[in-house]
Amino acid sequence: SQQGEEDPQALSIQEGENATMNCSYKTSINNLQWYRQNSGRGLVHLILIRSNEREKHSGRLRVTLDTSKKSSSLLITASRAADTASYFCAPVIQGAQKLVFGQGTRLTINP
Amino acid sequence: SAVISQKPSRDICQRGTSLTIQCQVDSQVTMMFWYRQQPGQSLTLIATANQGSEATYESGFVIDKFPISRPNLTFSTLTVSNMSPEDSSIYLCSVVWGMSYTFGSGTRLTVV
Repeated sequence: SQQGEEDPQALSIQEGENATMNCSYKTSINNLQWYRQNSGRGLVHLILIRSNEREKHSGRLRVTLDTSKKSSSLLITASRAADTASYFCAPVIQGAQKLVFGQGTRLTINP
Repeated sequence: SAVISQKPSRDICQRGTSLTIQCQVDSQVTMMFWYRQQPGQSLTLIATANQGSEATYESGFVIDKFPISRPNLTFSTLTVSNMSPEDSSIYLCSVVWGMSYTFGSGTRLTVV
């Protein structure tokens, strides 16, 4: 079963707006990672947040982590058409090194 | 981070046949992972391959269907055996380097 569960499954917004995706997981983690996948292409690592961190920024990306709620969010600000892709969270379970992916959020940015 | 070369990038195969996918890493890594991504779906972990030991398979995946070899610290193969159209997917290998995970470019398999 997937460790990360994402919400929403699909999101469509206008260019320039912000996009927020949420991820929940079930067990204790070492860290949580977010990935992007453009249609039919490979995975691109976006950001990693450790279990002792609460917030992390990278360019237009902002990730939060609430270990008490076992949840994380990814915020993309000032969205662009090139942000159209599927986004996956992948918690790294404590005591294991394998990545187990959520079902992903399919983000569409409309011009 | 490590760089992975995955082959083939795509293939069309007849049902009942087998396909072996190769991943070569430019660094020595302890653990390699194999994933399947069915059309329109997320990635599902098939197995974890450590050098010198049997691969560890996730629930729903068995060695007879997806045999894995890991002869050294830089190379692994995944075979998809006795293929059916339901096996049509993208297969990806991955390695971990510290906390950083790197993925191969994937093998797009179509079974006809």
